[in-house]
Amino acid sequence: EADIYQTPRYLVIGTGKKITLECSQTMGHDKMYWYQQDPGMELHLIHYSYGVNSTEKGDLSSESTVSRIRTEHFPLTLESARPSHTSQYLCASSEKAGQSYEQYFGPGTRLTVT
Amino acid sequence: KNQVEQSPQSLIILEGKNCTLQCNYTVSPFSNLRWYKQDTGRGPVSLTIMTFSENTKSNGRYTATLDADTKQSSLHITASQLSDSASYICVVSDRGSTLGRLYFGRGTQLTVWP
Repeated sequence: EADIYQTPRYLVIGTGKKITLECSQTMGHDKMYWYQQDPGMELHLIHYSYGVNSTEKGDLSSESTVSRIRTEHFPLTLESARPSHTSQYLCASSEKAGQSYEQYFGPGTRLTVT
Repeated sequence: KNQVEQSPQSLIILEGKNCTLQCNYTVSPFSNLRWYKQDTGRGPVSLTIMTFSENTKSNGRYTATLDADTKQSSLHITASQLSDSASYICVVSDRGSTLGRLYFGRGTQLTVWP
């Protein structure tokens, strides 16, 4: 089992609130990713990072922002949550960039915005 | 357009029976193909990864095949167990980016009944 952690696991919050989803890994991996997954649908990449102080937007447009101040920590923030943000958010990491490196996933955060 | 299609969408089998899940992809240029298992409420966990030159790979009761010419893959599960109930996701990586971009299928939801 990979050493990658996400908190909270479940979050129900009202519209307009600011939220931060936490993701930490203890494997010393350079690359980290955030995916969004709706029920029965494929994962979509929303953010990624090559390392400290590196952040990039993924394929799916997202109103969230990320930061990478420490190697092991890659939090995702929504400044003003809306019902359209309701989804599962999965964090992942890999040792290096490149097609052959394994991505290890955290358990996910299921977000519901009322 | 790079796509990954999986079939069937869902499958119910009895414990002890075998089953085969299908994956077709249009991702190009192809780098590798992975099968992940995702338990409900958890992140995906890697089962197998195959490159262009590999046409079969096993991991315990899971055997994946790859036909790079027809761009098809299958995941065969033998002697199914109740713990095999999960979503099985086919993921294809392309060689066209240093990121190691992954393209995800929507998964096959497998239910094993006692």
